[in-house]
Amino acid sequence: GAGVSQSPRYKVAKRGQDVALRCDPISGHVSLFWYQQALGQGPEFLTYFQNEAQLDKSGLPSDRFFAERPEGSVSTLKIQRTQQEDSAVYLCASSLGSSGTDTQYFGPGTRLTVL
Amino acid sequence: AQKITQTQPGMFVQEKEAVTLDCTYDTSDPSYGLFWYKQPSSGEMIFLIYQGSYDQQNATEGRYSLNFQKARKSANLVISASQLGDSAMYFCAMREASGAQKLVFGQGTRLTINP
Repeated sequence: GAGVSQSPRYKVAKRGQDVALRCDPISGHVSLFWYQQALGQGPEFLTYFQNEAQLDKSGLPSDRFFAERPEGSVSTLKIQRTQQEDSAVYLCASSLGSSGTDTQYFGPGTRLTVL
Repeated sequence: AQKITQTQPGMFVQEKEAVTLDCTYDTSDPSYGLFWYKQPSSGEMIFLIYQGSYDQQNATEGRYSLNFQKARKSANLVISASQLGDSAMYFCAMREASGAQKLVFGQGTRLTINP
């Protein structure tokens, strides 16, 4: 079946612009996660949804970052007034349930470059 | 706080040889899961193998096996009969059963398979 998809795959923004990154999780997956991966580093957690509820947003680096999942499926990560340090790959992952043993399946990521 | 350490930034192995990628972890939660992911140059994180903290036997998935030593808090990935297509970044990650649902990743190991 279809895996996690993300769009766009690449995004170039001028500093100060707003961007919106989309994630389509695997159908039926309850949990959805966003991670940020800087060049040469491991992914770092941003936020977590269980269905439409955002249960953990402790990793969002500033109030310029906002995520939503209004109908419990597709999610959007929005970054307002982008800055150069926001340049990274943004990875979305989904899992079937919400237990600690559930495997998270990742999308291909969106590479954001802020000029 | 949970932490993952991968001490090998890069490894070079001859094709068909076995390779061990090191991972140590730190957590105070008695229940947790350990995961290994492969990230080729295309950027997608591919799930390889999972080990639960209460699992009695080491996990195996095809050519992948996980050498789990709970007392040493290590979860090394073993790839048998390496192939050219195994060249990629490999990340070890942990998820605690209680509290946050997020994965915490190590810094990764870049594996290069030489023909």
